[in-house]
Amino acid sequence: ELKVEQNPLFLSMQEGKNYTIYCNYSTTSDRLYWYRQDPGKSLESLFVLLSNGAVKQEGRLMASLDTKARLSTLHITAAVHDLSATYFCAVDGETSGSRLTFGEGTQLTVNP
Amino acid sequence: DGGITQSPKYLFRKEGQNVTLSCEQNLNHDAMYWYRQDPGQGLRLIYYSQIVNDFQKGDIAEGYSVSREKKESFPLTVTSAQKNPTAFYLCASSIRETGSYEQYFGPGTRLTVT
Repeated sequence: ELKVEQNPLFLSMQEGKNYTIYCNYSTTSDRLYWYRQDPGKSLESLFVLLSNGAVKQEGRLMASLDTKARLSTLHITAAVHDLSATYFCAVDGETSGSRLTFGEGTQLTVNP
Repeated sequence: DGGITQSPKYLFRKEGQNVTLSCEQNLNHDAMYWYRQDPGQGLRLIYYSQIVNDFQKGDIAEGYSVSREKKESFPLTVTSAQKNPTAFYLCASSIRETGSYEQYFGPGTRLTVT
């Protein structure tokens, strides 16, 4: 059974600071997805990482994938209040067809 | 505009009644999914369908049923057998392009059963 673990689950940080969210998964896969969810809203796709060593950046967020370590990171640079949301990673296992397995989510709060 | 629509946005029902949630997509995606999300929790897969007239149970299928008669539509019925149906329900779809199963999500339906 594919397991996806995120840490931390809750993150409170000050504006202007840097931090990293970690996503570990338990099976061979070279496809990983990051989503953002605002309170009361649906999920919005942030990054699609499709190979070992893939790195994607959008604004103050940068995601990377190390398939050998079965680890993805979401790095936040100089956080701003607008980044406050819950972030989910999801993995597409090699034998799971099209279904994704989601992590529990990291609830990020950026304080002024 | 291509996208996924879910209706209604809010739904209130009495205990013991079946209720059907709508999900429609015009993205020409082959696969569609239903998730349940409880407050402060992650997503749990209820059912998914990779092709018309075929679907598979997810992790929490008990008390739910689906159909996939058209590529564009994947309705979810919450039956009276579902013990705790109050939740936020999300529908998603995906197509495999360049090795990606990225899922696109609808806006969700918030179901309250009293």
